[in-house]
Amino acid sequence: EVQLVQSGAEVKKPGESLKISCKGSGFRFTSYWVHWVRQMPGKGLEWMGRIDPGDSFTQYSPSFQGHVTISADKSTNTAYLQWSSLKASDSGIYFCARPLDLDALDIWGQGTTVTVSS
Amino acid sequence: QSVLTQPPSASGTPGQRVTMSCSGSTSNIGINYVYWYQKVPGTAPKLLIYRDQQRAPGAPDRFSGSKSGSSASLAISGLRSDDEADYYCAVWDDSLRGLVFGGGTKLTVL
Repeated sequence: EVQLVQSGAEVKKPGESLKISCKGSGFRFTSYWVHWVRQMPGKGLEWMGRIDPGDSFTQYSPSFQGHVTISADKSTNTAYLQWSSLKASDSGIYFCARPLDLDALDIWGQGTTVTVSS
Repeated sequence: QSVLTQPPSASGTPGQRVTMSCSGSTSNIGINYVYWYQKVPGTAPKLLIYRDQQRAPGAPDRFSGSKSGSSASLAISGLRSDDEADYYCAVWDDSLRGLVFGGGTKLTVL
């Protein structure tokens, strides 16, 4: 079965660092981009960026460039999203996704809820 | 404020046909493929339409997509109560060099 499985919910304090994961299975991980999408509480979907796990080439949304780091480990079929210093405004649900065709995201992880609160 | 404009809400009764729009520009919808997603609270988004009008695997044929110029539309025929969800359009924007989502349309089935 083709799937993406994300790491569990996180509760952090402002200023802390965090790295969440997205593990792919059932497909050739290096053949597809992995995208990250955020949904803040009560808000819409926001594209954060994507990575080519084959060579770790990464593209970021201007809104997220410099605020997060997307990485991948092709030896473990895992993509990562990390923050060096969290803010309360980073609270939300983070989804990883794989495209069916170009940027049509058809395989999604279950989402990781990140709560940042003092 | 998204570069793609969607009406915040839409509604219909069971069995009806509803449409929702997505307005963009020549740097996104005008030159790239449009995607449509269904988002139910507590679940991951589901791809409905890709390449403007192709139904995604598993998407019911009640859903259809179209595009004209810098605008796109999603139509749902034979509306059902479980179609109640948020619907998002998305497209690659060449100016921003990234994927952009519309603000979403909340569909209510009356």
